[in-house]
Amino acid sequence: DADVTQTPRNRITKTGKRIMLECSQTKGHDRMYWYRQDPGLGLRLIYYSFDVKDINKGEISDGYSVSRQAQAKFSLSLESAIPNQTALYFCATSDTTQTRETQYFGPGTRLLVL
Amino acid sequence: AQSVTQPDIHITVSEGASLELRCNYSYGATPYLFWYVQSPGQGLQLLLKYFSGDTLVQGIKGFEAEFKRSQSSFNLRKPSVHWSDAAEYFCAVGARGSYIPTFGRGTSLIVHP
Repeated sequence: DADVTQTPRNRITKTGKRIMLECSQTKGHDRMYWYRQDPGLGLRLIYYSFDVKDINKGEISDGYSVSRQAQAKFSLSLESAIPNQTALYFCATSDTTQTRETQYFGPGTRLLVL
Repeated sequence: AQSVTQPDIHITVSEGASLELRCNYSYGATPYLFWYVQSPGQGLQLLLKYFSGDTLVQGIKGFEAEFKRSQSSFNLRKPSVHWSDAAEYFCAVGARGSYIPTFGRGTSLIVHP
């Protein structure tokens, strides 16, 4: 089984809809991240969480919110989806006590906003 | 703050040829450096990383990278490319203690038979 899983893998939604992307991990890592990937722009950080009670904004957090329900679960919400949020979304985890800033990625969620 | 540049958006090589993907970083001290590969439809997989010590780092799938402080570079190399190496490659730089790496925009590798 994969260490970092994301659901759904693909999602089509309409402008104005609220959607949630979910991430779960079995690596036992304390730190979790949400990125979006757009062609030619690489990965940009949306939100990150260093533990259950710690949530931080990344460089492009506007229009997004997150919830860290447990150490193993980190959800990303689009409160009112818009077409320029069409992208590939990645969840990642890290454990700096063991692997020093090395991040491990989920398979991604491809989101299309019509 | 750290930054990273991957100068080549696309690289095309023939199968069996050698490969070098360029990565330049900006950071005031010795950084953490990473190379990730993203195969079509997949997430990012760590190829190799540099934290300290030997500046020539060996990774998975026959890749290696060399940290050159004088050139602020961490180029990825492979002596003989296979068709399955066709993918997007990302270089990332991390500042010690920040725990959040900065990613380059990626280099798309195309392998011709």
